Amino acid sequence: GEDVEQSLFLSVREGDSSVINCTYTDSSSTYLYWYKQEPGAGLQLLTYIFSNMDMKQDQRLTVLLNKKDKHLSLRIADTQTGDSAIYFCAESIEAAGNKLTFGGGTRVLVKP
Amino acid sequence: ETGVTQTPRHLVMGMTNKKSLKCEQHLGHNAMYWYKQSAKKPLELMFVYSLEERVENNSVPSRFSPECPNSSHLFLHLHTLQPEDSALYLCASSQDRGGALLFGPGTRLTVT
Repeated sequence: GEDVEQSLFLSVREGDSSVINCTYTDSSSTYLYWYKQEPGAGLQLLTYIFSNMDMKQDQRLTVLLNKKDKHLSLRIADTQTGDSAIYFCAESIEAAGNKLTFGGGTRVLVKP
Repeated sequence: ETGVTQTPRHLVMGMTNKKSLKCEQHLGHNAMYWYKQSAKKPLELMFVYSLEERVENNSVPSRFSPECPNSSHLFLHLHTLQPEDSALYLCASSQDRGGALLFGPGTRLTVT
């Protein structure tokens, strides 16, 4: 079945690293995505990883994928106050016509 | 203008009103989507259009009526809404159905 779960909240001090975790249940996912939503705005695509990869790095962002445990994480290095937002993970499942299933979102608060 | 645009950004309407939300993209994408984002609920996929044909309708009440006149424009016609329909309505598009979604900024709808 399709189920994507995230923890609700993460608090981090400015300059530290943030790690946002996501678990999913469908092992046939093809792509996994991370989106960021700032207050009053839509969702912004941050990065994505193909399901046959273990890791993807893009500047301050590192995505780790553990297919065996169906676990996805997003690490933000040197977290800034502008990183305060809600972060959504999503999986794309080929068997479901590549429909995206979103997690409930993790609210990240960066404290100065 | 690049990206996905939505108008209006904010809308307050009474339960007997009729209004329409508009979404526009000039990215050459073939698929367009309507999502509903309510407080304390996961992102809900409402409708999917692929090549101007509605391919998904997720048990959405008939008081919401989508229209896709061409691949660049998507509308959501609203009539006799209920207060529980108050939410952020997000439009998204993708190159093909199931690809990475690019979201618009959303329309914040309040039904009084």
